[in-house]
Amino acid sequence: LAKTTQPISMDSYEGQEVNITCSHNNIATNDYITWYQQFPSQGPRFIIQGYKTKVTNEVASLFIPADRKSSTLSLPRVSLSDTAVYYCLVGDGSNAGNMLTFGGGTRLMVKP
Amino acid sequence: SQTIHQWPATLVQPVGSPLSLECTVEGTSNPNLYWYRQAAGRGLQLLFYSVGIGQISSEVPQNLSASRPQDRQFILSSKKLLLSDSGFYLCAWDRLSNTGELFFGEGSRLTVL
Repeated sequence: LAKTTQPISMDSYEGQEVNITCSHNNIATNDYITWYQQFPSQGPRFIIQGYKTKVTNEVASLFIPADRKSSTLSLPRVSLSDTAVYYCLVGDGSNAGNMLTFGGGTRLMVKP
Repeated sequence: SQTIHQWPATLVQPVGSPLSLECTVEGTSNPNLYWYRQAAGRGLQLLFYSVGIGQISSEVPQNLSASRPQDRQFILSSKKLLLSDSGFYLCAWDRLSNTGELFFGEGSRLTVL
């Protein structure tokens, strides 16, 4: 079961690009990497998912090196509303019951 | 479209009282179902997961239990609550063929006094 390690917190300013890195040294061949955003008193919300190289959607990019032992979530031009906790999740959620265990998350504070 | 609902949204219970939190999923069949708990200011702790009716796996030993009486229903229970059971409980599901993209409910905030 892959375990993830993220920085506990990060600060940024509006308009800046934010990069949050997650380490997952024991990632398995079938594991995907998924990032979630959570606001207070809400359930986590899916942001982006990838397996290798780079994935980009309308809100973020995900960079995964060839060895897949880490991944970096990139948020372009953050705003105050991006203040939240960001979680990296590694797993394949297969029918075999691969349990999806979250790490501690990174608390991002965006300042004006 | 698929939806997931949890209730009650908020609950205040005395120590030693029973607990029942319910979660239902609509618009999909045979999902994997999960119960997570989040203590104040902390990360998500996986409590239980289920791959089918009557199939429950526990990640952390505790005084909580889970049941899946129907395909799209997941229940979290306790016979006697402890103070340490306070927290934000989240139910989630994912598609069997998916790769770890979880869909979460609105959450149930439990305060044990």
